[in-house]
Amino acid sequence: AQKITQTQPGMFVQEKEAVTLDCTYDTSDPSYGLFWYKQPSSGEMIFLIYQGSYDQQNATEGRYSLNFQKARKSANLVISASQLGDSAMYFCAMTYSGAGSYQLTFGKGTKLSVIP
Amino acid sequence: DSGVTQTPKHLITATGQRVTLRCSPRSGDLSVYWYQQSLDQGLQFLIQYYNGEERAKGNILERFSAQQFPDLHSELNLSSLELGDSALYFCASSVGAQPSGANVLTFGAGSRLTVL
Repeated sequence: AQKITQTQPGMFVQEKEAVTLDCTYDTSDPSYGLFWYKQPSSGEMIFLIYQGSYDQQNATEGRYSLNFQKARKSANLVISASQLGDSAMYFCAMTYSGAGSYQLTFGKGTKLSVIP
Repeated sequence: DSGVTQTPKHLITATGQRVTLRCSPRSGDLSVYWYQQSLDQGLQFLIQYYNGEERAKGNILERFSAQQFPDLHSELNLSSLELGDSALYFCASSVGAQPSGANVLTFGAGSRLTVL
């Protein structure tokens, strides 16, 4: 079974600094996708960034980048120049195209707090 | 506004009761997914519909059922409610059947269910 692990329940970062949120995954499927979502205190889930298992380059979206290390099965989210509005829960998720299943499986999340 | 509409936003009910949560997907999206978010279980995939048909099933209890109607809106029915069913229920939608970089799940704001 596919599994997503986020080992940091909570993180603090100083405003304007960079921060890395860890995510490791476990799958035997060669084709899979990795997603990061942000959940502010208001509750909605906001898509941030995507990385496909066959993508050669690390994904970037503005201040977000994904440090994808396939051999280590890790897909860490890097947020550069943190802002107060980045304070939120961050979820790593994985999907795969095996056995006709199309589920998106989420990790437990990391709570990021940005300090002024 | 993500374009995915969920009603009601909040719902308080008693054990043993039955409730219906409603979701209207983004215009043009054919897939609807239901997720349950609770403090102890995290984000759990319940069920997915694609163009009116059940596509994938996750950890959905037998007391729960869902359907997608011809106009593509979906309803999640929760019956014989228990205290442990208290959670935030998310609906998400996407264009295609399989989550990917080109087919990202867009989440609604959620329906918060409290069972007393």
